[in-house]
Amino acid sequence: DGGITQSPKYLFRKEGQNVTLSCEQNLNHDAMYWYRQDPGQGLRLIYYSQIVNDFQKGDIAEGYSVSREKKESFPLTVTSAQKNPTAFYLCASSAGGFSEQYFGPGTRLTVT
Amino acid sequence: QKEVEQNSGPLSVPEGAIASLNCTYSDRGSQSFFWYRQYSGKSPELIMFIYSNGDKEDGRFTAQLNKASQYVSLLIRDSQPSDSATYLCAVKGERTGGFKTIFGAGTRLFVKA
Repeated sequence: DGGITQSPKYLFRKEGQNVTLSCEQNLNHDAMYWYRQDPGQGLRLIYYSQIVNDFQKGDIAEGYSVSREKKESFPLTVTSAQKNPTAFYLCASSAGGFSEQYFGPGTRLTVT
Repeated sequence: QKEVEQNSGPLSVPEGAIASLNCTYSDRGSQSFFWYRQYSGKSPELIMFIYSNGDKEDGRFTAQLNKASQYVSLLIRDSQPSDSATYLCAVKGERTGGFKTIFGAGTRLFVKA
């Protein structure tokens, strides 16, 4: 089955802790993306990567970090510097260029 | 002006009717256009994409693109209660090198049984 997996589905952390969200795809896509969605709000781009070992900041990168060491994987770390980390986090991938983008099932992060 | 604009709704239609969802975009260099459906608490699901002016049909869904007017729409025929969701319009354009997708805020659709 081709697709995008994100784990875990739900994640709970204490304030001040860093947390890493996993995203893996087996679609052989070059481009990968992280979005954040708050209740009743639209999607906001955190980081994206067009190719292995390269990534760019999106619109709300502060307090987040990523790596792209393998084509299949694009983990997102939510650091303690992120002021309001509680949100629904979505990973997506695309073959690149103007092609369509597909989403993983998401990780719901709650920080208390 | 937002890059991709949608009426937030909610749009309410009776079961069996045609639901018409609209979207405008600001980048004249936009090349590809997408519609996603997002159920509450779930991730967005791609339902249609269109690259050329005109209509593209897939089952009960028809996407319509008018680049001159910078307008893209989604028609859902024979609407069902299971179509109740938020529909996101998305665009990829030359302004972002094609790699970034610009999403609208979404239109909430309710189909009444």
